[in-house]
Amino acid sequence: GDSVTQMEGPVTLSEEAFLTINCTYTATGYPSLFWYVQYPGEGLQLLLKATKADDKGSNKGFEATYRKETTSFHLEKGSVQVSDSAVYFCALRAAGYSTLTFGKGTMLLVSP
Amino acid sequence: DSGVTQTPKHLITATGQRVTLRCSPRSGDLSVYWYQQSLDQGLQFLIHYYNGEERAKGNILERFSAQQFPDLHSELNLSSLELGDSALYFCASSTTSGGLQETQYFGPGTRLLVL
Repeated sequence: GDSVTQMEGPVTLSEEAFLTINCTYTATGYPSLFWYVQYPGEGLQLLLKATKADDKGSNKGFEATYRKETTSFHLEKGSVQVSDSAVYFCALRAAGYSTLTFGKGTMLLVSP
Repeated sequence: DSGVTQTPKHLITATGQRVTLRCSPRSGDLSVYWYQQSLDQGLQFLIHYYNGEERAKGNILERFSAQQFPDLHSELNLSSLELGDSALYFCASSTTSGGLQETQYFGPGTRLLVL
């Protein structure tokens, strides 16, 4: 079945450091790919998405590129802030299906 | 604020009991999805309703059931509760039945604790 694998956390960074959170997927066909963020005590918010190969999703300084050849959708940010501390979830929606399959989440902790 | 509301925010109950979680989708959204987030299983899809009809079922136990009403709000019923049902339950909504471009918007969740 479909699955998403994320790097295990927590990822601990200093403010202004470069962030990469790895995400790879297994799916039949061509899924849509998403990154969601969960701040402490809150629900999930869509951070960015990409719906076809080579698409780049971007939002609030975060970027991820849909790489079909490596089945990856790694999340990057050039300079993290303390306010970026949260749990980040990579997810896919398989073509023809309505539901999301999530990775286990990666906690990011940014210190001043 | 996503526009999806869930009540209650917190629920504490005992094993063997039954509870009902409620979700109101964003205005105009026809689809409602339920997910369970637990420490051991992560985020798992439970069930999807579109305009009152069940569209997809995931890892939902037989003790759990859901429905979507004519006003499009949805309820998730959990019965014969066990300790392992303690989790955060999220509702999400989307405009239609889940096209490739479509985004699911999540509510703040209901935290269930079974003692």
